[in-house]
Amino acid sequence: AQSVSQHNHHVILSEAASLELGCNYSYGGTVNLFWYVQYPGQHLQLLLKYFSGDPLVKGIKGFEAEFIKSKFSFNLRKPSVQWSDTAEYFCAVGMDDYKLSFGAGTTVTVRA
Amino acid sequence: DADVTQTPRNRITKTGKRIMLECSQTKGHDRMYWYRQDPGLGLRLIYYSFDVKDINKGEISDGYSVSRQAQAKFSLSLESAIPNQTALYFCATSDPGLAVTDTQYFGPGTRLTVL
Repeated sequence: AQSVSQHNHHVILSEAASLELGCNYSYGGTVNLFWYVQYPGQHLQLLLKYFSGDPLVKGIKGFEAEFIKSKFSFNLRKPSVQWSDTAEYFCAVGMDDYKLSFGAGTTVTVRA
Repeated sequence: DADVTQTPRNRITKTGKRIMLECSQTKGHDRMYWYRQDPGLGLRLIYYSFDVKDINKGEISDGYSVSRQAQAKFSLSLESAIPNQTALYFCATSDPGLAVTDTQYFGPGTRLTVL
């Protein structure tokens, strides 16, 4: 079965701390990888995506993610978070069946 | 994203009622999707449509039906609502381009409560 796992359900950190959110998937074929963010009361927005090429991709608002094929992982990072990064973050994986599979999401709370 | 709109934004209904959630898009995309979001479960796909004549079940289609009235419109119906269908429902669109699965663009969501 295809699945997407996000390791942390809730992360709490202070402003200026570094953030890393884990995402692993179980699928042996070609994948397209995404991170979406959902700010409180808003809809999902794309943070970044990986299709091919350089496995380190940069997105909006200072986020980046690294695809490690051998580990089936696509972890999201930000060196220094801000209060405005408080949100829920979803990893999503597109596989050969043309659909996206989402992880359960990680709630990030940044304390001022 | 204002290009994908959903109506209503909030709805409270009673068990057994028929409910329709509507989605419209001005992005010109062929592919449209309906998801439900539940705490701790992320987004789960209910139905998807790759063009007006193509409708496919997702992973949790039981209790739901859809209609693709036009390229721009994709409606989700709950024939007889039950309390465990209380959730946040999202519509999304995508344009495949050269990728197998490309970026999906989400509407603002409909919060449905079934009493």
